[in-house]
Amino acid sequence: QVQLVQSGAEVKKPGASVRVSCKASGYTFTSHWMHWVRQAPGQGLEWMGIINPSGGVTIYAQKLQGRVTMTRDTSTTTVYMELSSLRSEDTAMYYCARDNSVADTSWWFDPWGQGTLVTVSS
Amino acid sequence: SSELTQDPAVSVALGQTVRITCQGDSLRSCYATWYQQKPGQAPILVIFGENNRPSGIPDRFSGSGSGNTASLTITGAQAEDEADYYCNSRDSSGNHWVFGGGTKLTVL
Repeated sequence: QVQLVQSGAEVKKPGASVRVSCKASGYTFTSHWMHWVRQAPGQGLEWMGIINPSGGVTIYAQKLQGRVTMTRDTSTTTVYMELSSLRSEDTAMYYCARDNSVADTSWWFDPWGQGTLVTVSS
Repeated sequence: SSELTQDPAVSVALGQTVRITCQGDSLRSCYATWYQQKPGQAPILVIFGENNRPSGIPDRFSGSGSGNTASLTITGAQAEDEADYYCNSRDSSGNHWVFGGGTKLTVL
């Protein structure tokens, strides 16, 4: 079955960087773009960006431009999200989610990874 | 600020029907997608496209849209439907995605 398995929780100091991985299985890795979404404690979902595992093309949320980098490794069917210059406001659960679409009118995120908690604290 | 607007909280009596709405300009040209999230869990897909449910989602969940407003309707709400619900779509530029602020559904 289609599955996304993320790396474990991280604790980082302000100013540091964090890299979260998301290993995909059960489908053709290069056939679906992959989104990253985060959720701060008690808050809503925030879209971070998307990567095309086939060519590596990325689109990032404007708010995170310059601090976020998404990459992929086709040999291990894994996508990565790296966030730099961490601050306390980056403390959140980070999710990867596979993109699905029909025509140019409908997109959906399914499935989702289990989430990776990143805590930024001095 | 989100380009998709949802009511922060809605309540429904057990077994009754509830509609959760999502407003945004981008919804005039594309469908909203709906996700359910329970405490401590990752979101799950409940409605996508015009009105499609993934396997495993009960048929009491349905979606609709008109103009700049999309709706998620639960007909005969159950206790297990108590959760946060998020709508999602492309933003008005078409180059990014955006989530609504979420609606906390309470089943009384």
